[in-house]
Amino acid sequence: DADVTQTPRNRITKTGKRIMLECSQTKGHDRMYWYRQDPGLGLRLIYYSFDVKDINKGEISDGYSVSRQAQAKFSLSLESAIPNQTALYFCATGSGVGDGETQYFGPGTRLLVL
Amino acid sequence: QKEVEQNSGPLSVPEGAIASLNCTYSDRGSQSFFWYRQYSGKSPELIMSIYSNGDKEDGRFTAQLNKASQYVSLLIRDSQPSDSATYLCAVNRDSSYKLIFGSGTRLLVRP
Repeated sequence: DADVTQTPRNRITKTGKRIMLECSQTKGHDRMYWYRQDPGLGLRLIYYSFDVKDINKGEISDGYSVSRQAQAKFSLSLESAIPNQTALYFCATGSGVGDGETQYFGPGTRLLVL
Repeated sequence: QKEVEQNSGPLSVPEGAIASLNCTYSDRGSQSFFWYRQYSGKSPELIMSIYSNGDKEDGRFTAQLNKASQYVSLLIRDSQPSDSATYLCAVNRDSSYKLIFGSGTRLLVRP
């Protein structure tokens, strides 16, 4: 079974709708991240959480919100979806040992906003 | 200037050749460096990490770091068609756990 799961895997929605993307992990990591990926722009950080009580904005948080329901669950919401939020969304967990932060990615959610 | 820059490619090499992928970063405080591989439509997966100047080898992969020149590279020896993917460079700045990703280099290995 996958260590980091995301639901749904694909979603089509209309402008103005509220949607939630969910992420669950069984790796036992405290740190969790939400990224979006657009062609030519790489991965950009939306929000991150270092533990259940710690939520931080990333570089492109406008239009998004998150909820860390438990150590294993981190949800991303689009309050009122717009077409330029069409992208591939990845959840990741982080395991920092010594100098490094290794991140493990979920399979992604492909979102289309019409 | 982007914090982490990569040539978007595609970099095309014949099977069996050495593929050389490069990445430059702007923040001299960066401490940790990572290479992720991403197949089309799939999630990124970590293939190499490097923290100190010099070379680090793992099988057919060698990561090279030069902090003075602010670049990190990835060499893939004996390239195989299955290596065809986008390679993402990521940098971990100062004491933050956040990673800054480059936009990736697409590698094509021709049979």
